[in-house]
Amino acid sequence: EVQLVESGGGLVKPGGSLRLTCAVSGFTFNNAWMSWVRQAPGKGLEWVGRIKSETDGGTTDYPAPVKGRFTVSRDDSKNTLYLQMNSLKTDDTAVYYCTVNDWIRFDYWGQGVLVTVSS
Amino acid sequence: QSVLTQPPSVSGAPGQRVTISCTGSSSNIGARAGYEVHWYQQFPGTAPKLLIYSNSNRPSGVPDRFSGSKSGTSASLAITGLQAEDEADYYCQSYDSSLYSLVFGGGTKLTVL
Repeated sequence: EVQLVESGGGLVKPGGSLRLTCAVSGFTFNNAWMSWVRQAPGKGLEWVGRIKSETDGGTTDYPAPVKGRFTVSRDDSKNTLYLQMNSLKTDDTAVYYCTVNDWIRFDYWGQGVLVTVSS
Repeated sequence: QSVLTQPPSVSGAPGQRVTISCTGSSSNIGARAGYEVHWYQQFPGTAPKLLIYSNSNRPSGVPDRFSGSKSGTSASLAITGLQAEDEADYYCQSYDSSLYSLVFGGGTKLTVL
């Protein structure tokens, strides 16, 4: 069974940083492309970053709203995905989901972790 | 403003058929590369779940009451034999080549009357 468990959320002040962690099991992590998707309170879904498998280059992609502030990384030896978020803004307040990517679709989702950016 | 446009809400009585549209453009759904459309179902307070992939395919365990289609710059999700348990939010998703981004529709809330 595929399991994705996010952690590291919480309250942070504007301009601050936070690192989210996603522990995965139930599939071959080092072959998987992984993404983070967020959902602001009462709003829709928004993709915030992706990392390819190391065999596919291990490269990352980001949408414009977070490019230069967010960094997706992975540790295949620990079956763990990370999202480093810097220069946080109040608009970044959302539930953040860890997902398994199959190129452009999201096959599996974690339960999500809440990040609140507020002074 | 989402790149893919969905109606904010749809409703139907039990047993009826409803459709949810997802309208894009030539840089996403209607692109020559033929970017596929995927659909997700989300119940309140829970994570989204893949419902339809690659325009019209159902993952294992999804009832055949759910079906998807794509034509030109639009896609649709159809639900037949509507049940109370289908009440949820539904999102379409694809890739946009002008934004170099994975994109979602704004979501549609389905109410079963």
